[in-house]
Amino acid sequence: DAMVIQNPRYQVTQFGKPVTLSCSQTLNHNVMYWYQQKSSQAPKLLFHYYDKDFNNEADTPDNFQSRRPNTSFCFLDIRSPGLGDAAMYLCATSRDPGRNEKLFFGSGTQLSVL
Amino acid sequence: DAKTTQPTSMDCAEGRAANLPCNHSTISGNEYVYWYRQIHSQGPQYIIHGLKNNETNEMASLIITEDRKSSTLILPHATLRDTAVYYCIVTGAGSARQLTFGSGTQLTVLP
Repeated sequence: DAMVIQNPRYQVTQFGKPVTLSCSQTLNHNVMYWYQQKSSQAPKLLFHYYDKDFNNEADTPDNFQSRRPNTSFCFLDIRSPGLGDAAMYLCATSRDPGRNEKLFFGSGTQLSVL
Repeated sequence: DAKTTQPTSMDCAEGRAANLPCNHSTISGNEYVYWYRQIHSQGPQYIIHGLKNNETNEMASLIITEDRKSSTLILPHATLRDTAVYYCIVTGAGSARQLTFGSGTQLTVLP
């Protein structure tokens, strides 16, 4: 059974048109992460939520925002997608960043920007 | 978090053991070694982690040198489905950033 679910699997948007990617989890984990993975590169952490506390990586562009309305759901909003934002976006969860916890990843959403 | 160095790619014959090395010479005393893998077009999958003792689970074994400056992930009987990018990551317990992925090793299991 899928524990971290990302929808949609593939998303196409237009240059400059806002887009939202969604992630849900059935694990009741406290922490949810968003990673960006461009073609042939390693995943790069954008930000994470520890419960309702939002933690942004220093080099994450302002164009990227996130919302976590409840424990189960987390959204990635890209306000004005550029061609360089085309990538796989990965959601992950863990119980607690303060402990030695492994991450559970979703299958990702492949974003194309036309 | 300490930096890791891995070979870019490796091949392994199906049924044989795959030994994936990782160097982490700047690892500090409270940092763990994690291994994840990513099969093409899927999210990364946790494999194993350790602090200083060797570890084994149903997927793999992790051998960490006594000085902890390097480690080896062992897949005892590689199958075609083990073809993936394998990431060695060093991170401290309590690190809110959890995982910083390096470039990883592309393991190709050959029939």
